[in-house]
Amino acid sequence: TQLLEQSPQFLSIQEGENLTVYCNSSSVFSSLQWYRQEPGEGPVLLVTVVTGGEVKKLKRLTFQFGDARKDSSLHITAAQPGDTGLYLCAGEYAGGTSYGKLTFGQGTILTVHP
Amino acid sequence: NAGVTQTPKFRILKIGQSMTLQCAQDMNHNYMYWYRQDPGMGLKLIYYSVGAGITDKGEVPNGYNVSRSTTEDFPLRLELAAPSQTSVYFCASSYSQGNGSPLHFGNGTRLTVT
Repeated sequence: TQLLEQSPQFLSIQEGENLTVYCNSSSVFSSLQWYRQEPGEGPVLLVTVVTGGEVKKLKRLTFQFGDARKDSSLHITAAQPGDTGLYLCAGEYAGGTSYGKLTFGQGTILTVHP
Repeated sequence: NAGVTQTPKFRILKIGQSMTLQCAQDMNHNYMYWYRQDPGMGLKLIYYSVGAGITDKGEVPNGYNVSRSTTEDFPLRLELAAPSQTSVYFCASSYSQGNGSPLHFGNGTRLTVT
């Protein structure tokens, strides 16, 4: 079983602070997705990264894919209470029997206090 | 456009009882998935299907069964419910598998086995 380590597991910050969530594996991804989940709902896709070194921005969220395609990060600038939720990374491993199936990280529960 | 619809939203079962979790999608997606979500564990793949009549085991299939008689529906059957099956279950679908194809999730079924 391939492992996808996500950290930190919990983040509790004040409005206006910056934060970074990390997603790491010892294996190479063919692509990596970030999802956000709110209580009582299913995860919703934020972004997909596919190219090593790729950086994507979604308003105050910046997603980076490592050059070797083994890690990714999500950076939020000036967090707002509306950013509160569970953030999940999900990797699609290159080759082998895992091709096409996503492996999810453990998730990061973010709480932004007003 | 309803997307992925799961029923019921909540269910309490006694040990040894059985039930079927329903999942339907109206996006004409060939690929459908069942995940379970436990605190701090991310999402674990139970079963998936690449099209009507074709299903395969995921990471944690024991105690579950699935069928896929139509493109739209992908029910998950629990036989002889056990406390270890207490979890939140998510159904998802995707247009394709691989190439970073995003998953579309339902809003989940929260199951408690006592």
